[in-house]
Amino acid sequence: DIQMTQSPSSLSASVGDRVTITCRASQDISNSLAWFQQKPGKAPKSLIYAASSLQSGVPSKFSGSGSGTDFTLTISSLQSEDFATYYCQQYKSYPLTFGGGTKVEIK
Amino acid sequence: QVQLVESGGGVVQPGRSLRLSCAASGFIFSIYGMHWVRQAPGKGLEWVAAILHDGSLKYYADSVKGRFTISRDNSKNTLYLQMNSLRPDDTAVYFCAKPVPGDPPQAIDYWGQGTLVTVSS
Repeated sequence: DIQMTQSPSSLSASVGDRVTITCRASQDISNSLAWFQQKPGKAPKSLIYAASSLQSGVPSKFSGSGSGTDFTLTISSLQSEDFATYYCQQYKSYPLTFGGGTKVEIK
Repeated sequence: QVQLVESGGGVVQPGRSLRLSCAASGFIFSIYGMHWVRQAPGKGLEWVAAILHDGSLKYYADSVKGRFTISRDNSKNTLYLQMNSLRPDDTAVYFCAKPVPGDPPQAIDYWGQGTLVTVSS
């Protein structure tokens, strides 16, 4: 199985900050990487697929990059609605696997 | 618009069974593979199972293999998850999810709101 490791597990940031979350795969997954946002008590929301493609309706302040084993999610200017937990997921092969999540909190 | 509505969750005793359903609308259900993903209380997301658009192939996480069965009825636009021999560590919110178009596996683009399954005596 492909293991996905996210870092950090949590971070504190201020409104307006630029935030970067990293995700590392245990083997080459090409660009088969997705990012999700989840707020407490809600279903996940899909943000990015194919490592860098924005899902429909997702604002351009979110961006993704990387290929192979190392990936990043960047939020260019953090807003109050962006405080949430973020997950990466590989879909290169079954079983699909998620990273452990990164909780973005208000500083 | 795409809608995925799960149902069938509840409280069940260890060792018993439960069947979840996911009613899909707003897209051509019969041409998409589908997924179940779960989230234990206070924990992260765990992929559970997937099924191809025509039901010909099914994939499972090791944690549920041999106990859970994913299936679908394309005439009813409905996805199912039959859960047998339930254990306390199966307690979670179960989400159904739709992938983007393309050869599977593909990224998820839409999620249902989830249904809570609690396994407890």
